[in-house]
Amino acid sequence: KAGVTQTPRYLIKTRGQQVTLSCSPISGHRSVSWYQQTPGQGLQFLFEYFSETQRNKGNFPGRFSGRQFSNSRSEMNVSTLELGDSALYLCASSPPGGSYNEQFFGPGTRLTVL
Amino acid sequence: AQSVTQLGSHVSVSEGALVLLRCNYSSSVPPYLFWYVQYPNQGLQLLLKYTSAATLVKGINGFEAEFKKSETSFHLTKPSAHMSDAAEYFCAVSWTGNQFYFGTGTSLTVIP
Repeated sequence: KAGVTQTPRYLIKTRGQQVTLSCSPISGHRSVSWYQQTPGQGLQFLFEYFSETQRNKGNFPGRFSGRQFSNSRSEMNVSTLELGDSALYLCASSPPGGSYNEQFFGPGTRLTVL
Repeated sequence: AQSVTQLGSHVSVSEGALVLLRCNYSSSVPPYLFWYVQYPNQGLQLLLKYTSAATLVKGINGFEAEFKKSETSFHLTKPSAHMSDAAEYFCAVSWTGNQFYFGTGTSLTVIP
């Protein structure tokens, strides 16, 4: 099975712009979570989608949004970019059937805001 | 608030020495616990997970972790460090199965 894929892998934007990141989960996985990873902060949970519905949301401003499509692919959008949004954005998917399954991570999208 | 703490953002060990990476959670309700490893420019890979079946959990690459409820801990160990173990290690917890909380990570350096 193919792993979690994220596109693009690298992105450079300027302040004020918006960006859309894409995540394709492992085939059959319906839960997709997004994290922001920065040095010293570890992974900060952004949101989790399941069957096209946002099921959980972290403590991030409304500039961060996401959605999930019927094929479980997910996108996250950041509007009005700030310098502090520079980070590695990780997507993770989880298999169905049973709780507390581990998350399978993609390689991430490294966003640099200038 | 529920959280997870990793003591020591940087740990250095000699090749062949014991690896001990610490993880504590803050809750009276035991969560499900995970250890992940991240190599440079890669996503996170699961090392092992505790789901209440056994307190001592064995994972990949010779790593293991022991859940101690009385200490609210889930420390990761490996008897003998290898150069290839150099990476970032993250402890994660979940109470709901849908939302995961990650520690800030421990960077492991293995000295030849």
